[in-house]
Amino acid sequence: QVQLVQSGSELKKPGASVKVSCKASGYAFTHYDMNWVRQAPGQGLEWMGWISTNTGNPTYVQGFTGRFVFSLDTSVNTAYLQISGLKAEDTAVYYCARDAGSYWGQGTLVTVSS
Amino acid sequence: DVQMTQSPSSLSASVGDRVTITCRASQDISNFLAWFQQKPGKAPKSLIYGATSLQSGIPSRFSGSGSGTHFTLTISSLQPEDFATYYCHQYNTYPFTFGPGTKVDTK
Repeated sequence: QVQLVQSGSELKKPGASVKVSCKASGYAFTHYDMNWVRQAPGQGLEWMGWISTNTGNPTYVQGFTGRFVFSLDTSVNTAYLQISGLKAEDTAVYYCARDAGSYWGQGTLVTVSS
Repeated sequence: DVQMTQSPSSLSASVGDRVTITCRASQDISNFLAWFQQKPGKAPKSLIYGATSLQSGIPSRFSGSGSGTHFTLTISSLQPEDFATYYCHQYNTYPFTFGPGTKVDTK
């Protein structure tokens, strides 16, 4: 069955970097693009962008450019979200999601606090 | 960007009630509309895609309708496990966008 398994929660200091992983199984990884979605505490869902798992080309929504990087390692069927220069307002749960959200990872809580 | 609105923002209902949630898009998105259910501390769960198609494994009490700019999610007979927040999501036009959510709680 299709599964997206994300890495565990992270606690980081302001200015640090974090890399969240999303390991896919149960389907041909390069046949479906991967989306990233953010959910700040108590807030709604915010689509950050997507990466083509075929070409590796990322597309970022305005507001998620510069410090946010989507990448892939197709040899291990894994997508990554890296955030650099972390700020307190980056504190959120980050989800990977396939297709138009047919399948979701369990989410990774990133907490930024001094 | 395509703005998605949902109404109501919250509602209180009882088990067995028929519940309808409305989602509107600021421009025509054809039928590229999905509905998700989210419970506290959990990932969103896909209910409906293509505005009207039920995801595999989702109970038939859930149904979606609409096209263009006006969509609805209906729960024909609310069950205890249906108390949650529901989001609509358009995937017709980049950037994809979500509605603000509708929280369904117990009356």
